[in-house]
Amino acid sequence: AQSVTQLDSHVSVSEGTPVLLRCNYSSSYSPSLFWYVQHPNKGLQLLLKYTSAATLVKGINGFEAEFKKSETSFHLTKPSAHMSDAAEYFCVVSRMDSSYKLIFGSGTRLLVRP
Amino acid sequence: NAGVTQTPKFQVLKTGQSMTLQCAQDMNHEYMSWYRQDPGMGLRLIHYSVGAGITDQGEVPNGYNVSRSTTEDFPLRLLSAAPSQTSVYFCASSYSLAGVGDMTQYFGPGTRLLVL
Repeated sequence: AQSVTQLDSHVSVSEGTPVLLRCNYSSSYSPSLFWYVQHPNKGLQLLLKYTSAATLVKGINGFEAEFKKSETSFHLTKPSAHMSDAAEYFCVVSRMDSSYKLIFGSGTRLLVRP
Repeated sequence: NAGVTQTPKFQVLKTGQSMTLQCAQDMNHEYMSWYRQDPGMGLRLIHYSVGAGITDQGEVPNGYNVSRSTTEDFPLRLLSAAPSQTSVYFCASSYSLAGVGDMTQYFGPGTRLLVL
């Protein structure tokens, strides 16, 4: 069975410092992996996706993630946090029985301190 | 291009009442789905559709019905609301079917439902 685990429910950083949101997945096959962001009282927006092309994936707003098969990880990073990055972030894996069925992690809430 | 729209934004129901959550997309996407979001649990798939006239169950389908008469619309019906259905509901759509093209799912803004 496929699953995804977000290792931190909350992450707090100072503005201008690096961001690291951790995600591990479990899959019998090479999965498709996504990061979505949800700002307060908003819908979900795609940040980036991995679909078996380059292992380092660049997304919007300066975010990037690296697919590491040996570690079954897909951590999200950003060199310098901005106040507007404060939101909830979801790591998502596609199910192998249908690539359009998504399995969501439980989410990581990012707090950015001024 | 409005993307994925959902109505209403917020609804309060009494136990046993019925209602329909509306979802529409104007991107000509074949795939549409409904999720519910509960604290600490991410999003869970309720029902999905791969095209007009075709629907199937997701992880948590009990208490919900769907139909897909057109490509654009995918309403979610609660036949007899229960407090356990208090949640935030998101509709999503995607262009492609399995393994073909861009699998990105586009989400609506959500409907907050409170069942008393």
